[in-house]
Amino acid sequence: NAGVMQNPRHLVRRRGQEARLRCSPMKGHSHVYWYRQLPEEGLKFMVYLQKENIIDESGMPKERFSAEFPKEGPSILRIQQVVRGDSAAYFCASSPRDSRRETQYFGPGTRLLVL
Amino acid sequence: TQLLEQSPQFLSIQEGENLTVYCNSSSVFSSLQWYRQEPGEGPVLLVTVVTGGEVKKLKRLTFQFGDARKDSSLHITAAQPGDTGLYLCAGVEQAGTALIFGKGTTLSVSS
Repeated sequence: NAGVMQNPRHLVRRRGQEARLRCSPMKGHSHVYWYRQLPEEGLKFMVYLQKENIIDESGMPKERFSAEFPKEGPSILRIQQVVRGDSAAYFCASSPRDSRRETQYFGPGTRLLVL
Repeated sequence: TQLLEQSPQFLSIQEGENLTVYCNSSSVFSSLQWYRQEPGEGPVLLVTVVTGGEVKKLKRLTFQFGDARKDSSLHITAAQPGDTGLYLCAGVEQAGTALIFGKGTTLSVSS
């Protein structure tokens, strides 16, 4: 009964490169959430997706960031042309239904370092 | 402005002491959760509270959700070094879908 899986756990990119972060939700979960945790700050919501749909992307930067959750396969958070300020821990969480009353279960995170 | 204010931000105590961590807001939440996060790992859920006034116990940990569903507390009895970690409260506003986190309380328990 695997939990939320994220890969890679650590990712190093140079400025201008692309970063792809993957998240496989818990079995039976169709709702995925992405969060970013910057040093000395709390976790900040980025985007909420259901299968093939973006429900809420109010926390996502308007440029360079995109997310998808295809019918088959993991959810992907994509950061184009990374800059040093993108260095952070990115966490994915999943829930079986609408999050308002459902617990969200977190993955171990991907730590992105931009050189 | 932080929607969920956690206090204290840091807490350093001796083994065997009791402590309380607070999570306060001016907003009403449909549910509130407490997580514990170890360095280099993701938050691990401790408890979810959904009913105003609700009290939940998890061994030496007692969680309370305020009657108005605007605040919560976590009380640890007889703290142990294994309780050391970052404790995060998080909630979903009544009209929202996003989980909003407090900045966390870093607890250090020394033997």
